[in-house]
Amino acid sequence: DVVMTQSPLSLPVTLGQPASISCRSSQSLVYSDGNTYLNWFLQRPGQSPRRLIYKVSNRDSGVPDRFSGSGSGSDFTLKISRVEAEDVGVYYCMQGTHWPRTFGQGTKVEIK
Amino acid sequence: EVQLLESGGGLVQPGGSLRLSCAASGFSFTTYWMSWVRQAPGKGLEWVASVKQDGSERFYVDSVKGRFVVSSDNTKNSLYLEMNSLRAEDTAVYYCVRGYSGPSHWGQGTLVTVSS
Repeated sequence: DVVMTQSPLSLPVTLGQPASISCRSSQSLVYSDGNTYLNWFLQRPGQSPRRLIYKVSNRDSGVPDRFSGSGSGSDFTLKISRVEAEDVGVYYCMQGTHWPRTFGQGTKVEIK
Repeated sequence: EVQLLESGGGLVQPGGSLRLSCAASGFSFTTYWMSWVRQAPGKGLEWVASVKQDGSERFYVDSVKGRFVVSSDNTKNSLYLEMNSLRAEDTAVYYCVRGYSGPSHWGQGTLVTVSS
């Protein structure tokens, strides 16, 4: 199985400051169709996860542009340009290229 | 508006069975693969199973192979997860999700507790 490794696992941030989460996969996530199926999700406390980013860098509808995804192959990053209070929660990366699908361990973002 | 509504969770003894259902609305059900993702209490997310629109392909995580069966009924716009030989480690919130390479929509989840 493809192992997804996130870092850090805990991220205290100051409101208005940037934040960055890394996600590395044990295998390349480039699929035979040329796409890279790397996604980012946010799970706020008490809620279901919500997809923020798909195929590395595409923001879902309604996702603020302070969120951006980048990377290639097996090394990916989620960046928040200026953290707001509503960004608190656990962030997960997930690969959709190989079976079985796998998630990272999660990164808990909290306000300092 | 896309809606996914799970039901069927509850308390079951080890070795028992349970059937989860997910009623989908707000989109063309026959256009999408559908999947189940679970989350044990206080833990991270784990993909469980996916089924193709016409049921011709199904994939499972190794830990549930031979025990769980994922299926869908396009006439009812519904997804199912038949769970047999349940174990304590199957205790989790089970989410119905749309898609299989990066779920775009999630239900609110249904809690399955396996305990004697």
